[in-house]
Amino acid sequence: NAGVTQTPKFQVLKTGQSMTLQCAQDMNHEYMSWYRQDPGMGLRLIHYSVGAGITDQGEVPNGYNVSRSTTEDFPLRLLSAAPSQTSVYFCASAIGAIYNEQFFGPGTRLTVL
Amino acid sequence: GQQLNQSPQSMFIQEGEDVSMNCTSSSIFNTWLWYKQEPGEGPVLLIALYKAGELTSNGRLTAQFGITRKDSFLNISASIPSDVGIYFCAGHGAGNMLTFGGGTRLMVKP
Repeated sequence: NAGVTQTPKFQVLKTGQSMTLQCAQDMNHEYMSWYRQDPGMGLRLIHYSVGAGITDQGEVPNGYNVSRSTTEDFPLRLLSAAPSQTSVYFCASAIGAIYNEQFFGPGTRLTVL
Repeated sequence: GQQLNQSPQSMFIQEGEDVSMNCTSSSIFNTWLWYKQEPGEGPVLLIALYKAGELTSNGRLTAQFGITRKDSFLNISASIPSDVGIYFCAGHGAGNMLTFGGGTRLMVKP
C-alpha cells in the first residue's frame, strides 16, 4: 500500500491563480480531510469528508473547495490564490469507525506570491 | 472554536534525559491523540487515548488521558537523537473534527 499520497510536493502560485492539490489513498478509508499547517499554529482543518459524495467544512474553509467523487480521491481546490494561503497542506485519511486515528500524507508546500 | 494549549513550545535536552509535555483545554475531549512530525513529513500517530484516566505506553513513550478530560500528558523516557521532531497533541470532542495543539519542538543533544 502506498498509503496517503499528495501531489505536487511544492508549488508556487501568483495571486489570483487557481490550482488543485491532489490527495489519494489506497486503504479504502471512508474519512478524508485537509489541514493547513502554519508556524506555531499546529494543524487547522479546512474541509473533510466522511464518504464519497459527502463533504463538510472544517475550521478554516474560506477560499477552498473540495469534492469527493470516489472513496480514493479528495482534491482541494484554490479558486483564486491569496498570499494568506501560503502554507503547508496535509491530507489525511482514516477508517470510518475510528476516524480519530488519521494517517497523514507527506504534505504540499504552497507559496503564493 | 475549541482551543488546545500545548507546552512547552520547545525543549532542548541532553540525550538520555526524560521528557514531559502536556496539553490543556477549556473544553472536554472524548479522545486524546499524540502525533510526531519529522522535517518534511506528515504527522505520524504515536498514541491514542479513549478513556479518562487511561495510561498507555508505546515503547519509551507513555501518555495519559487526564481525569478531568481537559488535559493529556506525554512522557518520553531516556531520549535518543531520533526523538527529535515536533510533537502534537490532538483532541476530539463533538462532531467529526480533531483540534490540534500548537506543537512541542524537541531537540536532543547527543
